[in-house]
Amino acid sequence: EVQLVESGGGLIQPGGSLRLSCAASGFTVSSNYMSWVRQAPGKGLEWVSVIYSDGAIYYADSVKGRFTISRDNSKNTLYLQMNSLRAEDTAVYYCARGPMIVVGYYFDYWGQGTLVTVSS
Amino acid sequence: EIVLTQSPATLSLSPGERATLSCRASQSVSSHLAWYQQKPGQAPRLLIYDASNRATGISARFSGSGSGTDFTLTISSLEPEDFAVYYCQQRSNWPLLFTFGPGTKVDIK
Repeated sequence: EVQLVESGGGLIQPGGSLRLSCAASGFTVSSNYMSWVRQAPGKGLEWVSVIYSDGAIYYADSVKGRFTISRDNSKNTLYLQMNSLRAEDTAVYYCARGPMIVVGYYFDYWGQGTLVTVSS
Repeated sequence: EIVLTQSPATLSLSPGERATLSCRASQSVSSHLAWYQQKPGQAPRLLIYDASNRATGISARFSGSGSGTDFTLTISSLEPEDFAVYYCQQRSNWPLLFTFGPGTKVDIK
């Protein structure tokens, strides 16, 4: 059974850093593309970043230069290092898995999310 | 960058009624469009991919159609558990980024 479990969220001051983790089970993170998607309170879904099985990485403009996506194959875990955090980064952060297909654009499994609150 | 718009923003219906949700892309996405359902406090759930294919375990009362720029999600007969927010989503190749529509909330009339 595929499972994604996020952790690492919390309250952080503006300008601070936080690292989110997404522990995967039931599949290998390096075999699928994996993304982070966030949702600000009461708002819609916003894609943050993706890492493909070949290692290619992309970011939304809103986080480029501040956030870094990575994975640890030995731990089967996805990460999101968030630096220079701003109030507008406050959101529930979901990790999501893409299927093993050639033209991958959607997400078939999602974690339960972890809340990041950026506030002084 | 491809922009997705969804209409209506809110759809007020009664259980048993048919729901028709629209998603429009600012340029053609072929059939590469997905639909998700999200209930309060829960993660999104994949309903439809490739515009018309139901994801594993999704009820046959959910159906998707369309290609190019205009897409529709239809719920044939609303069940109580179907009242939720629905998002469409696609990926553009240049620049590479994933985009969600703003969502349609289906609530109980």
